[in-house]
Amino acid sequence: KAGVTQTPRYLIKTRGQQVTLSCSPISGHRSVSWYQQTPGQGLQFLFEYFSETQRNKGNFPGRFSGRQFSNSRSEMNVSTLELGDSALYLCASSWGPEAGELFFGEGSRLTVL
Amino acid sequence: GNSVTQMEGPVTLSEEAFLTINCTYTATGYPSLFWYVQYPGEGLQLLLKATKADDKGSNKGFEATYRKETTSFHLEKGSVQVSDSAVYFCALSFSGGYNKLIFGAGTRLAVHP
Repeated sequence: KAGVTQTPRYLIKTRGQQVTLSCSPISGHRSVSWYQQTPGQGLQFLFEYFSETQRNKGNFPGRFSGRQFSNSRSEMNVSTLELGDSALYLCASSWGPEAGELFFGEGSRLTVL
Repeated sequence: GNSVTQMEGPVTLSEEAFLTINCTYTATGYPSLFWYVQYPGEGLQLLLKATKADDKGSNKGFEATYRKETTSFHLEKGSVQVSDSAVYFCALSFSGGYNKLIFGAGTRLAVHP
């Protein structure tokens, strides 16, 4: 079965712009989590959604937001981009609220100039 | 706070050598522990997990034992292959954490023929 799909895979933005990233989870998975991966900070949890509800949020500014749709697809948005937002953004899905195993997509690599 | 510390890489080994990647954690409760692997150009994949003290997780020849007394979850493999070259991440999560993983910095493994 198809894995976690993230779009776009690569994008370049300039400071001050906003960006929307999309994630399609594995069919049947209802939990979607987002992580930011950078060389300096490593992998950091952004937020998690289950059945369209955000249940957990990491320590990121309000510029980072997300949502989940009724078909479990999720989007995350970063507004007023800063240079430090350049990162690989990873989406992960899981079948349940405490499944313990996450299935990751290949990520969306954002470069902010 | 809760955190995961991994040995710094890169770790460079010859094929068929023994592998150990150290992982220790700091946690206020009793987390579940995971090893994820990221092959070049791919998303993270769960390698193995353990949910309580003294549990041993194993997969593809890799093993790790949850040691509460030393707060450790070291990854081992008896004989590595070139195809094991990847970045390995140790991680923890808590029940009630809604699929939030706290990752270590990652350890890059390079295996040469």
